[in-house]
This record gives sequence, structure tokens and C-alpha cells, in this order.
Amino acid sequence: AQSVSQHNHHVILSEAASLELGCNYSYGGTVNLFWYVQYPGQHLQLLLKYFSGDPLVKGIKGFEAEFIKSKFSFNLRKPSVQWSDTAEYFCAVNIYNFNKFYFGSGTKLNVKP
Amino acid sequence: EAQVTQNPRYLITVTGKKLTVTCSQNMNHEYMSWYRQDPGLGLRQIYYSMNVEVTDKGDVPEGYKVSRKEKRNFPLILESPSPNQTSLYFCASSLSPGAGELFFGEGSRLTVL
Repeated sequence: AQSVSQHNHHVILSEAASLELGCNYSYGGTVNLFWYVQYPGQHLQLLLKYFSGDPLVKGIKGFEAEFIKSKFSFNLRKPSVQWSDTAEYFCAVNIYNFNKFYFGSGTKLNVKP
Repeated sequence: EAQVTQNPRYLITVTGKKLTVTCSQNMNHEYMSWYRQDPGLGLRQIYYSMNVEVTDKGDVPEGYKVSRKEKRNFPLILESPSPNQTSLYFCASSLSPGAGELFFGEGSRLTVL
């Protein structure tokens, strides 16, 4: 089975700090990549996605992610976090031509005001 | 409004009492899937469906059944629930796995006593 690893389970930052959340996957072929965010008590919402093209993708709310094929990574970044970014973040992989989505275990981000 | 609707949102039941969690989407999506979310494990796919009458197992299908008799509906059936099925369940849909992101329902929190 394929795996998606998120290295940080819990991150605590102060407002205005920079954020980088790691994501690595195990499949060697073509993949579609996603970052989802889950605010407390809510369902998952798409932050950004990568299918092809420019490996640096921009999403909503100032988030961006970089796909590095050689490292099987898709790290999420934000230059300056806000208190409202407190949430759980999930990396997800869809293997091209396959019908399954694989999710990481999630990273809980706590931003202190 | 485009949405995925799950019911019930909260349910407490007892071991062995059959239950069904409904899922409906109004986006004419072909692909639908069910996930369970457990602390530290992220989201794990239970079952998915590529279209009407086409369903397949995900990574954790034991103890669950699904059906897809209509394009918009994809109910999750627990024939004989057990305490290890206590979890938060999400239904999601997509135009197709390789064409777009997943749209999630609000979640159904199930407790099996």
C-alpha cells in the first residue's frame, strides 16, 4: 500500500512566524497532490493542488506548496501565519490512473495570538 | 449551492444494531468515497465508487458495506457495528479521481457502545 508521511504531528507558532509543513509520499510514478485544511469542528477544505506544470503552486489564504519530484515531497508553506490558521492540515496523494486517495496522518497547527 | 450532505451528523448506538449513514451530492460527480478519521491516523478510505453500480474496497473495508444505486447517493452501511468502528466518518465526491479534488461532507460522528 502507498503511504503519505507528514513529519510534524503538532506545530505551535506565534503569529507572523513562517510555516513549513513536510509531506512525503512513497509512489514513484505520476501523482496528483493536495493539501487540505480542517478547521475545528469542520469538514476538510481544499487549500491547493498540484497536477502538473509549475512545481510551485499557490493556494488560498496565502498558502503555497512546492513539488520536488526527486524527493517525493510536497511541502506546504506560508510566510506569515495568523491566529485564524489554527487548524489541522492534511497532505493527500492520488495516484494517476488509480482510484484511491491516500492521506497523511495530519499536522495540528496552533497559532498563538 | 454545491454540497455533500451526510446524515446523521451524530449517532450513538450499541454493538450489533445495524445502521446506515447517508451521503448525497448535488454536483453530478461520478466518483464518491467514504473515509474514517481517527486521531493520529489521518483519513483512511473505506470504500469508493466510480459510478452507479460500481464500487470497490478502500484500505479499511472490513465491517462496512456500500451501495450506489443512484449517482447522487452513496450510503455507508454498518451491518453489525462494533466499538472499534467508533470514529468520525466523511463522505466525499469528485468529478473523477484524476480530474479534480475531493469535496467533503460535514462528517458523521459515530459512537458504538
